[in-house]
Amino acid sequence: GAGVSQSPSNKVTEKGKDVELRCDPISGHTALYWYRQSLGQGLEFLIYFQGNSAPDKSGLPSDRFSAERTGGSVSTLTIQRTQQEDSAVYLCASSPRLGTQYFGPGTRLTVL
Amino acid sequence: DQQVKQNSPSLSVQEGRISILNCDYTNSMFDYFLWYKKYPAEGPTFLISISSIKDKNEDGRFTVFLNKSAKHLSLHIVPSQPGDSAVYFCAASAITGGFKTIFGAGTRLFVKA
Repeated sequence: GAGVSQSPSNKVTEKGKDVELRCDPISGHTALYWYRQSLGQGLEFLIYFQGNSAPDKSGLPSDRFSAERTGGSVSTLTIQRTQQEDSAVYLCASSPRLGTQYFGPGTRLTVL
Repeated sequence: DQQVKQNSPSLSVQEGRISILNCDYTNSMFDYFLWYKKYPAEGPTFLISISSIKDKNEDGRFTVFLNKSAKHLSLHIVPSQPGDSAVYFCAASAITGGFKTIFGAGTRLFVKA
């Protein structure tokens, strides 16, 4: 199976803790995206990486959020000092070109 | 500022009938539009797309129509099946925006047997 994988599938943390969410994109895909879906809401764009270009961070909601993509492959989304409003499903997607994105199953984050 | 809007949060349709899901956009620079389908506890999966140079694209039971002057697109599913029950997201992107894609809030489709 060569789909997009994300880990962990579920994460429960206490308010104020830092969390790291991982995404393994499909091999060879040059673009990688992070979105989040809060309860009852649509997909909110967070950040995307395209090849070696500077990432588009325009969707990150605050400076507590950051992401990196090492070696053009695996990406980690880090949320520092988590707040209850950060609770959501965080989705990662990769794409070989403009258009179709292939999504992972998501990480459900619950901040108590 | 919602650039992609799906104004109907839910839609209920009888099996065998047509489902029509609507989407409006505000950014005239969008030139590629996509529909994704999402089941609970899964990531969205690509369904069908259309380029702005076309006004219709058909794939089996699924057809997407684009009306650029109205900045409106719609997804038609006919005949609808119970397995089509899911959340449908409309998405749009612009070549000038690189790979960035904007998603709508989604419409939950219920197909009743």
